[in-house]
Amino acid sequence: GAGVSQTPSNKVTEKGKYVELRCDPISGHTALYWYRQSLGQGPEFLIYFQGTGAADDSGLPNDRFFAVRPEGSVSTLKIQRTERGDSAVYLCASSSEGLGNTEAFFGQGTRLTVV
Amino acid sequence: AQSVSQHNHHVILSEAASLELGCNYSYGGTVNLFWYVQYPGQHLQLLLKYFSGDPLVKGIKGFEAEFIKSKFSFNLRKPSVQWSDTAEYFCAVNARTGGFKTIFGAGTRLFVKA
Repeated sequence: GAGVSQTPSNKVTEKGKYVELRCDPISGHTALYWYRQSLGQGPEFLIYFQGTGAADDSGLPNDRFFAVRPEGSVSTLKIQRTERGDSAVYLCASSSEGLGNTEAFFGQGTRLTVV
Repeated sequence: AQSVSQHNHHVILSEAASLELGCNYSYGGTVNLFWYVQYPGQHLQLLLKYFSGDPLVKGIKGFEAEFIKSKFSFNLRKPSVQWSDTAEYFCAVNARTGGFKTIFGAGTRLFVKA
């Protein structure tokens, strides 16, 4: 597609459930980022992929969070045993290089609400 | 560790007023600097960026930003705002060497009164 696509746009889940959030980056972009944005805050870095591998996952808050990018394109962010504090907008971005020297294009985000 | 501080959380201006949004970052090495904008209901978009060269950077829609290395600052400016500039503005920093983790400030919500 023309831009970064994230699905679903909204997700409501019960505390303790498992969720998957999907990101389709711009075709050909090797770098893919996940961010989390809470109300009144800027995007908070979670994880960065260069190709299929997670080059930096230092932003993942705990081991309930995991992300994959098996074929170097689509990525899935997985959250186990969701907690109310996980409620936020999860943003995905992609860029054509991984060294920060090019623009990151963002998707619309997935608004996750844990009830 | 890198950090980004945006001085104002909320700014209200009348149309045609001048705008300056402050941004300071904390990082000792060479950085790339960005301003992103998020219009209501839309995704984050790049407004402008600085990698090297002329420290005065011009972006889209009449925005500009000046990198002052000695002050670790990258303030955003626009001489005359329009109602359509109502949005949230985020300053972001990325370390150039070995870096790919872009750190964002908390954002500034700008409301322009028509």
